[in-house]
Amino acid sequence: SQKIEQNSEALNIQEGKTATLTCNYTNYSPAYLQWYRQDPGRGPVFLLLIRENEKEKRKERLKVTFDTTLKQSLFHITASQPADSATYLCASSGNTPLVFGKGTRLSVIA
Amino acid sequence: DVKVTQSSRYLVKRTGEKVFLECVQDMDHENMFWYRQDPGLGLRLIYFSYDVKMKEKGDIPEGYSVSREKKERFSLILESASTNQTSMYLCASSLFPDSNYEQYFGPGTRLTVT
Repeated sequence: SQKIEQNSEALNIQEGKTATLTCNYTNYSPAYLQWYRQDPGRGPVFLLLIRENEKEKRKERLKVTFDTTLKQSLFHITASQPADSATYLCASSGNTPLVFGKGTRLSVIA
Repeated sequence: DVKVTQSSRYLVKRTGEKVFLECVQDMDHENMFWYRQDPGLGLRLIYFSYDVKMKEKGDIPEGYSVSREKKERFSLILESASTNQTSMYLCASSLFPDSNYEQYFGPGTRLTVT
């Protein structure tokens, strides 16, 4: 069956550093990957979408990569700030509808 | 700006009660979804709908039903609430059936069944 996994349940980093979150998929080849941010007690908010033929995509301090050989997407937040603390979810479109990972809870420490 | 609203932020119901969770989107989206989210289990799809009066089972439909009588409204029904249905319920919508389009989520309803 299609599986999408975010290996780290939680990640703590120092303010100003780059946070890197990982999303791996198995048993299928999604054409797209999406990343969402979720704050406690709120619904997820869409951040970025990357297509399989795009190696990298950027939006302000965010960068997403898609490596079809490694079956992996990396999500980077540069110059991280305490306000970036949240849970980040990846989702794939190997099938309709989206399949979500369980999320990585990022804490940026001042 | 897309807005997805859910009828309640917090709800407390008794075991055996029939529970209605309402979701409304204001951007004429084709697709609507109901998820539940539990610690350690992530987002799990309950039901979704591609069009009015159409519904499809997701990964965990047991104990739930849905209704979509109008394009903008998608209701989740717990026919006889049980304690294991205590959870955060999230509604979402997207523009087209193609899952390549992002989903817009509502604020969630935290349901407690006692």
